[in-house]
Amino acid sequence: DAGITQSPRHKVTETGTPVTLRCHQTENHRYMYWYRQDPGHGLRLIHYSYGVKDTDKGEVSDGYSVSRSKTEDFLLTLESATSSQTSVYFCAISESSGGPYEQYFGPGTRLTVT
Amino acid sequence: QKEVEQNSGPLSVPEGAIASLNCTYSDRGSQSFFWYRQYSGKSPELIMFIYSNGDKEDGRFTAQLNKASQYVSLLIRDSQPSDSATYLCAVWGDSNYQLIWGAGTKLIIKP
Repeated sequence: DAGITQSPRHKVTETGTPVTLRCHQTENHRYMYWYRQDPGHGLRLIHYSYGVKDTDKGEVSDGYSVSRSKTEDFLLTLESATSSQTSVYFCAISESSGGPYEQYFGPGTRLTVT
Repeated sequence: QKEVEQNSGPLSVPEGAIASLNCTYSDRGSQSFFWYRQYSGKSPELIMFIYSNGDKEDGRFTAQLNKASQYVSLLIRDSQPSDSATYLCAVWGDSNYQLIWGAGTKLIIKP
């Protein structure tokens, strides 16, 4: 993996609790992304960041928030976890918007909400 | 809504044969096209990208792009059991910073 770590790698939590997932990169890439992957749906974008403190919503952002206070860290928070948020979460990074925009992925976090 | 379609498979191919994976996309303004491989329980890894019509070769892999017909394909020559994985197609359109992903094709290479 291109200098991307995610923590925790596995988490089990209860419905209604807040959860924060962390993505850390050592590549100094500008763009960072959070995806979720569920069977039959492929990868769906939750939020992305195009710089420190610059974030925007993806297609499945409801119930999630993000923060990026440093280039290397991108946090995903589930404000009040629900069973529908049980999924595998991937962080990805991308160097620039100048093309061709390839993204590189972290190892993933498997989240189970009971 | 912009879409990327892939046959979910599984696609079963004998070892040593050519595996052909296809992807169609709806956004005619799409500019760049990516193929990722994902082993079970692992994260997607980039195989190759293409942004010009025609073929692009990298080792045993060839990506083919036809913008007029809005499809992109991936050929894997001399398929090996280690090529068994799910292959994801992703397309970069005119929406800033976002890739649109297909759901993936599961490929099984039979020894």
